This record gives sequence, C-alpha cells and structure tokens, in this order.
Amino acid sequence: NAGVTQTPKFQVLKTGQSMTLQCAQDMNHEYMSWYRQDPGMGLRLIHYSVGAGITDQGEVPNGYNVSRSTTEDFPLRLLSAAPSQTSVYFCASSPEPGTGDYEQYFGPGTRLTVT
Amino acid sequence: AQSVAQPEDQVNVAEGNPLTVKCTYSVSGNPYLFWYVQYPNRGLQFLLKYITGDNLVKGSYGFEAEFNKSQTSFHLKKPSALVSDSALYFCAVREPGGSYIPTFGRGTSLIVHP
Repeated sequence: NAGVTQTPKFQVLKTGQSMTLQCAQDMNHEYMSWYRQDPGMGLRLIHYSVGAGITDQGEVPNGYNVSRSTTEDFPLRLLSAAPSQTSVYFCASSPEPGTGDYEQYFGPGTRLTVT
Repeated sequence: AQSVAQPEDQVNVAEGNPLTVKCTYSVSGNPYLFWYVQYPNRGLQFLLKYITGDNLVKGSYGFEAEFNKSQTSFHLKKPSALVSDSALYFCAVREPGGSYIPTFGRGTSLIVHP
C-alpha cells in the first residue's frame, strides 16, 4: 500500500492564483482531513470528510474548498491564494469508528509559498 | 469541546537520560489519546494511543505514555533518550462520538544532546 499520498511536494503561487492540492489514500478509509501547520500553531484543521459526498468545515476553512467524490481522493482547492496561506499542508485519513484502528495516517505534506 | 495543551515548546535532555513530554487534555467523557512524532520535512507518524484499559501504554521506538484521568494528563516518556529521538512531538485527543476528528496540541520540540 502507498498509504496517503500528496502532490505536489512544493508549490509557489502568486497572490490571487488558484490551485488544487491533491490527496489520495489506498486504505479504504472513510475519514479524511486537511490540516495546515504553521510555526508555533501546531496542526489546525481546515476541512474534513466522513465519507464520499460528505464534507464539513474545521477550525480554519476560509479561503479553501473541498469535495469528496470518491473514497480515495480528497482534493483541497485554494480559490484565490493569499500570503497568509503560506504553510505546510497535511492530508490525513483514518478508518471509521468500530474498526479498532483509531489513529490517523498522514501524507508527506505540501509546502506552499504564496508571494 | 475537546482541547489539548502541550505546556512546553521545547524540551532539552541529555542522551541516556529519561525524558518526559507533557500533555493535558479536556473532553466530555472518556478520551481517546494519541502521540505522534514528526521528523524534519516529514509527515506525522503515529507513536502510541490510549483508548481503554491499562493506564500505561507502550508504543514505537521505546516510548510509553501514562493516562492519568484525575490529572487529565497523558505524558509521553522514555527511560533513556537517544539523539535520534530529537523531533517534534504532538499530542492529540478525540472524544468518542462527535466528528471523530482529533484535536492536536501545538507540538513540543524535543532536543536530545549528545
């Protein structure tokens, strides 16, 4: 299994540009999440999904959109990039409750710089 | 609402000495608790978890953590630190029920000196 994969690894955008960060998992996990990591702020939840077709907002959703058309994929869209969105973005997945496996599995991250 | 606090931004310890990284939490009901480790330029890796049962849980790389319900703590420990343990450590908590998405602490940087 590849686990959780993210592309690209690095990206530089100009203010106002849009882009999509890709996330895929091959573990048939129902739950997927997007976090951003900033120095001194830890991990902050952007959006999450509890299954195909179901998404919800996390702690810092403004400026980001998500969709979940398949179990495997959970892309994160930046609508109009701003310098405040410069960060490292992590995608994570976990199985649904009741499976006995409670932890999250993280991708390697995407380092985004907005100039 | 669930929350977790890691009171130390950085912990310094000499190689061979015991280490402790602190974590306290707040949830309604019984918590699910986790520790993750992040090495430079990498994603987070799961270390250990407490779901139910024995308060002392053992995980990867010789780490263990003790669940203390009265103090609402879940401190990470290792009897003898290695230089290779130097990394960023995150505590996370999840309430059974609800959104099933954990809340993470701000992280503690562990530096093990040779």
